[in-house]
Amino acid sequence: GEDVEQSLFLSVREGDSSVINCTYTDSSSTYLYWYKQEPGAGLQLLTYIFSNMDMKQDQRLTVLLNKKDKHLSLRIADTQTGDSAIYFCAESLPGGYQKVTFGTGTKLQVIP
Amino acid sequence: GAVVSQHPSWVICKSGTSVKIECRSLDFQATTMFWYRQFPKQSLMLMATSNEGSKATYEQGVEKDKFLINHASLTLSTLTVTSAHPEDSSFYICSARTQGLSQFFGPGTRLTVL
Repeated sequence: GEDVEQSLFLSVREGDSSVINCTYTDSSSTYLYWYKQEPGAGLQLLTYIFSNMDMKQDQRLTVLLNKKDKHLSLRIADTQTGDSAIYFCAESLPGGYQKVTFGTGTKLQVIP
Repeated sequence: GAVVSQHPSWVICKSGTSVKIECRSLDFQATTMFWYRQFPKQSLMLMATSNEGSKATYEQGVEKDKFLINHASLTLSTLTVTSAHPEDSSFYICSARTQGLSQFFGPGTRLTVL
């Protein structure tokens, strides 16, 4: 079945690195995503990784995928106050519509 | 590019009335559009998947007669909440997908039913 879980809350100091973790259960995932949601707003796609990759880096963002353990992480280097938001990991499954299942969301609080 | 808009951004209605929410892909053609619902401090729950010109596919537990979805063109999908009740109050988010892998999300519509 599809089940994507994240820790609910993370607090870091400005300038430190943040690591947000996610676990999923469906090993047939094709792509895994990280989305950012600011208060009262829709979702912004931050980055994604194909399921046969181990790592992807995009400026301050590093995504690590451990397919064996079904564990996905997002590292934000030099975290800024503007990074404060809720971060959702999501997986898409094979199939015509590539249905996406979202995690529970992690609220990141950046302390100045 | 890849902008998705929703209208209205927020709506307040009386119990028993119907509300229509529009989702438009502004600069691309969306073969598939998705409708999600998000309760406060919770994740997004997929309600239904719609393809242009065909009936929507609803997720288990979502009443298709209550949440009417129309995908009349490659750039427009509408969600109508019929006979709305206070428990339907939520944040409704649509997304649109092209032939590629990414979904592009709208800004969401906050529905409050009094």
